[in-house]
Amino acid sequence: GDSVTQMEGPVTLSEEAFLTINCTYTATGYPSLFWYVQYPGEGLQLLLKATKADDKGSNKGFEATYRKETTSFHLEKGSVQVSDSAVYFCALNTWNTGNQFYFGTGTSLTVIP
Amino acid sequence: DVKVTQSSRYLVKRTGEKVFLECVQDMDHENMFWYRQDPGLGLRLIYFSYDVKMKEKGDIPEGYSVSREKKERFSLILESASTNQTSMYLCASSSGWGEEETQYFGPGTRLLVL
Repeated sequence: GDSVTQMEGPVTLSEEAFLTINCTYTATGYPSLFWYVQYPGEGLQLLLKATKADDKGSNKGFEATYRKETTSFHLEKGSVQVSDSAVYFCALNTWNTGNQFYFGTGTSLTVIP
Repeated sequence: DVKVTQSSRYLVKRTGEKVFLECVQDMDHENMFWYRQDPGLGLRLIYFSYDVKMKEKGDIPEGYSVSREKKERFSLILESASTNQTSMYLCASSSGWGEEETQYFGPGTRLLVL
């Protein structure tokens, strides 16, 4: 079935380090792909999304490119800040084959000064 | 901006109590969802609704029911709370079908069942 797999955490980085959080997916149709962020004690917030192959989503310095050939949607940021400490969820929506959202298990990121 | 609100941020209930969690969205979204979030398990879908008075079971509906009497409101009901229902509950809404559909989440309700 359709699913999302993202890298296990926790991830700890120093401020200004480069961030990559890997996400791969399995889907029978042509899903839309998302990254959500959850700050401590809060709900999930949409960070960025991409709806078709080769699209790049970007927001707040974060980027992810929809790679159909590798079924991936890796999240990257060139220089992380302490305020980026949060849990990051990769998700897909199989909007054309049943309209289900599938979420990864989340990757916890801690950025230390 | 889409706003999804949940009636409580924190709740403490006793085993066997009936518990109501309320969710309201202000964007006239057709679809609404209830998830629970547990460490190491990510988000698991409990119930969802595509329209008023309609409901569909998600992956883990046992022990829960839902009500959608108005488009903007989606309630999750724990008929008889048990300790294994201690969790973070997240409500979400989305605008409809298509590749642009996006889920928007409320702040969550952290429920402790004693």
